[in-house]
Amino acid sequence: DAGVIQSPRHEVTEMGQEVTLRCKPISGHNSLFWYRQTMMRGLELLIYFNNNVPIDDSGMPEDRFSAKMPNASFSTLKIQPSEPRDSAVYFCASSFGGPSSYNEQFFGPGTRLTVL
Amino acid sequence: AQKITQTQPGMFVQEKEAVTLDCTYDTSDPSYGLFWYKQPSSGEMIFLIYQGSYDQQNATEGRYSLNFQKARKSANLVISASQLGDSAMYFCAMSSYSGGSNYKLTFGKGTLLTVNP
Repeated sequence: DAGVIQSPRHEVTEMGQEVTLRCKPISGHNSLFWYRQTMMRGLELLIYFNNNVPIDDSGMPEDRFSAKMPNASFSTLKIQPSEPRDSAVYFCASSFGGPSSYNEQFFGPGTRLTVL
Repeated sequence: AQKITQTQPGMFVQEKEAVTLDCTYDTSDPSYGLFWYKQPSSGEMIFLIYQGSYDQQNATEGRYSLNFQKARKSANLVISASQLGDSAMYFCAMSSYSGGSNYKLTFGKGTLLTVNP
């Protein structure tokens, strides 16, 4: 079975450019999470969706970041305009049954973003 | 606020020995879950083991076991018979209530485990 799919795996862009990260969750999962991982801040939850609806976006750093989930099998995380401090690994994860105390999250391979 | 603390930035262990990775947590919620994930140098996050706050017995998954001490709010990961492939970053995480019917996963800073031959 296919796991969580993320694209691109690596992205190098220049400051000011728009960046779009993509995620396909595991089929049948109805919760999707976007995380950012940096050396300084560790792994941070940016936003999560349940049944395609954004539930909590309090982790989104600022208005330059936006996320959408137009259907159950696709989500995007967009940064516009990008800045060097956005350089990080961005993970998408999915789980079944909603974010609960016992639902395991399955992570994608991550997108390594470098903003020059 | 929910908090996960991993006090060991790095740990070393000899191959075939057992190793314990520490994790303490802070929450006032009665219902929560504790997870351990492994992140090898290739970067993916691999789920290892789960412990629920109401579980009476410590969780085990193959060579992994979770030493859950609820009163002390600790959830240490024990890896028995370490293998070279166990060298990786290990993250402790807690799933706790975040409002409505939803839970959030909060991660610790991680422990880098190196298994020596």
